[in-house]
Amino acid sequence: EIQLVQSGAEVKKPGESLKISCQGSGYSFTTYWIGWVRQMPGKGLEWMGIVYPGDSDTRYSPSFQGQVTILVDKSTTTAYLQWSSLKASDTAIYYCVRHRGPRGTYYSEGFDPWGQGTLVTVSS
Amino acid sequence: QSALTQPPSASGSPGQSATISCTGTSSDVGGYDYVSWYQQHPGKAPKLMIYEVSKRPSGVPDRFSGSKSGNTASLTVSGLQAEDEAEYYCSSYAGSNNLLFGGGTKLTVL
Repeated sequence: EIQLVQSGAEVKKPGESLKISCQGSGYSFTTYWIGWVRQMPGKGLEWMGIVYPGDSDTRYSPSFQGQVTILVDKSTTTAYLQWSSLKASDTAIYYCVRHRGPRGTYYSEGFDPWGQGTLVTVSS
Repeated sequence: QSALTQPPSASGSPGQSATISCTGTSSDVGGYDYVSWYQQHPGKAPKLMIYEVSKRPSGVPDRFSGSKSGNTASLTVSGLQAEDEAEYYCSSYAGSNNLLFGGGTKLTVL
């Protein structure tokens, strides 16, 4: 079974750093783009960025460029989303997603599957 | 870049059809055949229902269909069932390393 399993909920203070994870299994991890989508409380979906584990090619949404870092570790089939200094406005559920098709473009075939989501709460 | 425009709500009776629109521009929906649709039930992760405008992943019922005309894409759910009640989001590639989502549409099965 193809799965993306994310790390657990986090509660942080403004200014703190954070790295959340997403482990893929059941497929060839290095040949599928894997990325992140944000959902703020009661709001819609926002695409943040994506990485190709095969060569670590990383693309960021203009809205999130410079705000977060996407990392990948092929040896553990895990992708990460990292913040150096959290803000209250980073409070959201973060979903890990895999591009449906292997290799090629990251934007053509939609995202399937999705991880279960990681709730990040930033509050003083 | 602004999100794609979806109606906040849509509805239909069991067995009937409902259509949800997703309006963008010639730089996103109108410029690429890379429109996807996702279904999200409360408290759950989204699920891919349609990709590349009209293709269905395996396991998605053929009651779900997608189309596009100009800058507007549409998702049609035929033979509505109670379990179709959910939030639906469209997505489109917008060039320059950008993917846009719509604001979401709450589909109610009356």
